Amino acid sequence: GDSVTQMEGPVTLSEEAFLTINCTYTATGYPSLFWYVQYPGEGLQLLLKATKADDKGSNKGFEATYRKETTSFHLEKGSVQVSDSAVYFCALSGGGSARQLTFGSGTQLTVLP
Amino acid sequence: DVKVTQSSRYLVKRTGEKVFLECVQDMDHENMFWYRQDPGLGLRLIYFSYDVKMKEKGDIPEGYSVSREKKERFSLILESASTNQTSMYLCASSFLQGRAEAFFGQGTRLTVV
Repeated sequence: GDSVTQMEGPVTLSEEAFLTINCTYTATGYPSLFWYVQYPGEGLQLLLKATKADDKGSNKGFEATYRKETTSFHLEKGSVQVSDSAVYFCALSGGGSARQLTFGSGTQLTVLP
Repeated sequence: DVKVTQSSRYLVKRTGEKVFLECVQDMDHENMFWYRQDPGLGLRLIYFSYDVKMKEKGDIPEGYSVSREKKERFSLILESASTNQTSMYLCASSFLQGRAEAFFGQGTRLTVV
């Protein structure tokens, strides 16, 4: 079945540091790929998405590129802020389980001032 | 603004009680989902529904049931609450076609004592 593997956390960075959170996937067909963010005590919010190979999703300074050849969708941000502290989830939809999302385990990010 | 609303942010119930968690969406989505989130285990799918009165088991349906009498409302039922069902419960919805993103509610933190 479909699966998503994220880099293990937690990740702690200083403000203005560069962020990369790795995500790789296994899926049949041509899934859409997503990054969700969860702030403390809240539900998940969609951060960005990409629906086909070589698409780049971007939002709030975060970017991720759909790489079919490496089955990856790594999240990057050039300069993190304290307010980016949250849990980040990589997910896919439309692989073998067409209707439901498959999530990675989540990566806790803490940004220190 | 799209909205998925869960009826409670926090609930405390006693062991053996029947518990209802309600979720309403205003986006006319066909798909609705219930996940639970536990530290170290990520998000796990309990049940989902792709139409009124339709339901499918997810990865961990034991001890739960669901009801979908109207398109906009999806209820999760704990028939006899147990302490191992203490968790964060997240409802989500999406359009029917595969590869669509899901929108999440704010979550219900359930504690069973």
